[in-house]
Amino acid sequence: GDSVTQMEGPVTLSEEAFLTINCTYTATGYPSLFWYVQYPGEGLQLLLKATKADDKGSNKGFEATYRKETTSFHLEKGSVQVSDSAVYFCALSARDDKIIFGKGTRLHILP
Amino acid sequence: GAVVSQHPSWVICKSGTSVKIECRSLDFQATTMFWYRQFPKQSLMLMATSNEGSKATYEQGVEKDKFLINHASLTLSTLTVTSAHPEDSSFYICSASSEQWISGNTIYFGEGSWLTVV
Repeated sequence: GDSVTQMEGPVTLSEEAFLTINCTYTATGYPSLFWYVQYPGEGLQLLLKATKADDKGSNKGFEATYRKETTSFHLEKGSVQVSDSAVYFCALSARDDKIIFGKGTRLHILP
Repeated sequence: GAVVSQHPSWVICKSGTSVKIECRSLDFQATTMFWYRQFPKQSLMLMATSNEGSKATYEQGVEKDKFLINHASLTLSTLTVTSAHPEDSSFYICSASSEQWISGNTIYFGEGSWLTVV
């Protein structure tokens, strides 16, 4: 069945470091891909999305490119901030409006 | 922006009792609500899809008689865990959509509810 695999955390970085959180997926057809973020005490929020191959989603300095050839959607940010500390979920939606999440990656940014 | 409120955030109940979790859309009408469950170190698992005014659609392996879902209005869906057991202890989260979700930005999530059955 459809699935999402993302790197396990926690990931700890210093402020202004470069961030990559890997995400790969398995799905039939052509899914839409998403990154969600959950800040402490808050609900999941959509961070960015891409709906077709080679699309690049971006928001708040984060980027991810839909790579069909490698079935990947890695999240990147050039310079992280302490306020980026959160749990990040990679997800896909293939059919029936169901969203499938990865396990989540907790990110700690040190000042 | 749209807000989905989930209540209670934390609940502890005795084994054998029932507990109800509410999911409310505060500023939009949610035609569809989803209920997820998260096991430790695992991804969120979709339990059921709840459409206003109709019976919920349960995922395979989810006991519909144990996890009762009611979506009686466009702003409220409830999940009732009946005859709770310790293995039902988990993090439950709902999400709500105001229209068929295609682009992904019409899904809003609640903050989740931690259930502990003792």
